[in-house]
Formats: sequence, C-alpha cells, structure tokens
Amino acid sequence: NFMLTQPHSVSESPGKTVTISCTRSSGSIASNYVQWYQQRPGSSPTTVIYEDNQRPSGVPDRFSGSIDSSSNSASLTISGLKTEDEADYYCQSYDSSIVVFGGGTKLTVL
Amino acid sequence: EVQLVESGGGLVQPGGSLRLSCAASGFTFSSYAMHWVRQAPGKGLEYVSAISSNGGSTYYANSVKGRFTISRDNSKNTLYLQMGSLRAEDMAVYYCARDQGVVPAAIDYWGQGTLVTVSS
Repeated sequence: NFMLTQPHSVSESPGKTVTISCTRSSGSIASNYVQWYQQRPGSSPTTVIYEDNQRPSGVPDRFSGSIDSSSNSASLTISGLKTEDEADYYCQSYDSSIVVFGGGTKLTVL
Repeated sequence: EVQLVESGGGLVQPGGSLRLSCAASGFTFSSYAMHWVRQAPGKGLEYVSAISSNGGSTYYANSVKGRFTISRDNSKNTLYLQMGSLRAEDMAVYYCARDQGVVPAAIDYWGQGTLVTVSS
C-alpha cells in the first residue's frame, strides 16, 4: 500500500497563513479523496476538510484544502491563524477501502 | 446529532483479550461503514480496522490481522472490536469512527475514545 508523509511540525504567528503538506508515496493523489483531521490536545480528532477541499458545516472558511498532481501531494491551508488553531493535523486517504493516515503535523501558533 | 460512545477499555495482561463496543446514535447506523482507529500515548493516529455498512466486508491493518475481529450489530446500532493475543504495542486510545459512505474511505465523525492498557 502507499504512505502519506507530512512534516513533523510547523509554526507561524497569529494572523498569518500556514500550509501543511501531505505527499503520497505511490499512486496518484488524485485517485482517492484526501481528508484532514484536527486534534487539539486531550481531544478526539475532528474533520476539517473532506473530499480534498470540502469543509464540514461549522468549520470556518479560513481552512481550505487542495491537491497538486505535479507533486503528488495534498495541502491544508489555514489563513488568519488563531491560537485556537494550535493542534495536530492528520491527512488521510484510502485505496481499495484500506485507510491510510499521515504521521501528523504539530501546528504551533506563537 | 451523531454520537459515538466507546466502552470496554481497561487494563489487560499481555496475551489477554478484550472486547470494545461503540454505541451509535443520531443517524441510520446500517447505512454507514465504520472504523476503529487507535492512538498510542504521544503518537499519531493508526488505522486498525473497518467494516462495510452491511457487515459483509471487513478490513484490518497488518499489525492486528489474525488477532482482532471487527463486527457490527445493525439491530443494536453497535460496533465491536474483539481483541486477542494483546501485546504491549496494542496499548492505546481506541476511537470508533463513522465513514461518510457504505464502504470504508473517509471518516466524518469520531467518538471520544476508550483507553486500552496492556501490562502485567
């Protein structure tokens, strides 16, 4: 099966924009939808992006998702950073109903 | 409101068994695939197992294949994970999660998790 690789950590200041990448090791990133989950300390994960770029109701439009076939990667972009965005973020995709998670990225807002 | 409530976690000795349950409410349980995902202390999310909406297809991570069994009772709106031959590396918070569709692909809702501790 394939792997999803994320940077271990990123940091940015409040009000700025940050992008977290998720690179698929084999097979096309466009073949299967990518989801993004946010996990704040001590809490369960929640979905912030599904089907590459769709936001669930209640997720602010500061969160956006995209895919780039040239780099075979997906990206989560958070604009207008707030301290409450500090969390771990995981990308996820699948192939033949086998679910694969990225290793997670710790976002620090300082 | 979608609710997923896990139970059954606890302390178990290496080599022992445990059955986790996940009570679902707020949606038509039989219309959605379901997942178990775990998180070891201080580590990332790890896919464990998934099951299609009608229970006809099941999927397992290589790390648990042959030791864990996923099942569901659509009449009781409940998902299960029977865990056997438990090892220290199975110690984690186990999350029940709902898929968006009838076959496993993408999670939309997560439970609060139940902690499994494997220790003598």
